[in-house]
Amino acid sequence: QITLKESGPTLVKPTQTLTLTCTFSGFSLSTSGVGVGWIRQPPGKALEWLTLIYWNDDKRYSPSLKSRLTITKDTSKNQVVLTMTNMDPVDTATYYCAHRYSGNYYDYWGQGTLVTVSS
Amino acid sequence: EIVLTQSPGTLSLSPGERATLSCRASQSVSSSYFAWYQQKPGQAPRLLIYAASSRATAIPDRFSGSGSGTDFTLTISRLEPEDFAVYYCQQYGSSPQTFGQGTKLEIK
Repeated sequence: QITLKESGPTLVKPTQTLTLTCTFSGFSLSTSGVGVGWIRQPPGKALEWLTLIYWNDDKRYSPSLKSRLTITKDTSKNQVVLTMTNMDPVDTATYYCAHRYSGNYYDYWGQGTLVTVSS
Repeated sequence: EIVLTQSPGTLSLSPGERATLSCRASQSVSSSYFAWYQQKPGQAPRLLIYAASSRATAIPDRFSGSGSGTDFTLTISRLEPEDFAVYYCQQYGSSPQTFGQGTKLEIK
């Protein structure tokens, strides 16, 4: 059974750096074809894809946020970490991590974590 | 970047009716790398359809996907009460992958 869970701060101040951790079970990020992505959703708005890391450590980033994002993986801990710098109130959103396999669609999702950016 | 435009924004129907949701891409989506998700309030999205027409695991056969190129459709043949939700399309054939703005399916 595949599960994912996001963890990290619920409140960050403007200009701070956000670090979120996705802890997963039921699969290995060293298995060929596997990947973990991050998607966010501002309150009442649509989904926005942020970044994706593959089993071979290849990484993809949203062009509009690329300068602010870093994704890394720790295969031994079954974790993926998202870092977003220079947070702004417009970055207030629920952040989801999700599993991909064979295609860049997401078949398993975490429950999401709401991050509020406010002073 | 491929922009996905979903229509209508809101669809009001009754249980038992047929629902047709559309998603149009600003450029052709390669190899039908296209997915649909359902999202209910307070929940994470749920994968319904991938590769434009393949149903994900445990998805009822009243859900079907079709289309190619720039025009894709999600059809729900007979609406059940639990189908009223927001639906998102996604293309993953071109980087960056993108999502549509959503269609809200509400009870009439």
